[in-house]
Amino acid sequence: GQQVMQIPQYQHVQEGEDFTTYCNSSTTLSNIQWYKQRPGGHPVFLIQLVKSGEVKKQKRLTFQFGEAKKNSSLHITATQTTDVGTYFCAGHGNQFYFGTGTSLTVIP
Amino acid sequence: DVKVTQSSRYLVKRTGEKVFLECVQDMDHENMFWYRQDPGLGLRLIYFSYDVKMKEKGDIPEGYSVSREKKERFSLILESASTNQTSMYLCASSPRIRGREAFFGQGTRLTVV
Repeated sequence: GQQVMQIPQYQHVQEGEDFTTYCNSSTTLSNIQWYKQRPGGHPVFLIQLVKSGEVKKQKRLTFQFGEAKKNSSLHITATQTTDVGTYFCAGHGNQFYFGTGTSLTVIP
Repeated sequence: DVKVTQSSRYLVKRTGEKVFLECVQDMDHENMFWYRQDPGLGLRLIYFSYDVKMKEKGDIPEGYSVSREKKERFSLILESASTNQTSMYLCASSPRIRGREAFFGQGTRLTVV
């Protein structure tokens, strides 16, 4: 079946440092979605990318979809303590193929 | 405000018990999903349903069954709970149309003792 892997599994950064998580699929994706799960919370949708090579920004967050539509990345510039949580990517077909997630800790 | 509601936030059950986890959504979504979340393993799909009375196995269906008698309700059943089913269970729903996001419930933390 389709597999979506994310790296790193955990990341600790000092507040103000940048952070990137990478998502890789074993197959070509029609689109990719990103979710954030705050500690103790549930995953919440952030954004969807559809086009090859697409780049979208949400304030300090930059999302990219690879040219081959098999990988994606989320980059956070100048992390803040409010960025703490686990970030998941998900390929979307008949179901959602979630990545393993990257847990971000921001040290004040 | 869209809502996916899970019946319990925390649940403690004994080994061998039959356990029901209920999920209700108010968005008239066709698709509903049950995931379990364990540290380091991400979200693993147990079962999903794309219509009333329809169900599809996900990646880890063993030891679980589901029921969808009404569009808004999707139940996860642990036939005989075991300690390795201690986990966080998340229900989600989405419209049938591709390209729409999933909406999650608040999760049920199940402990089997």
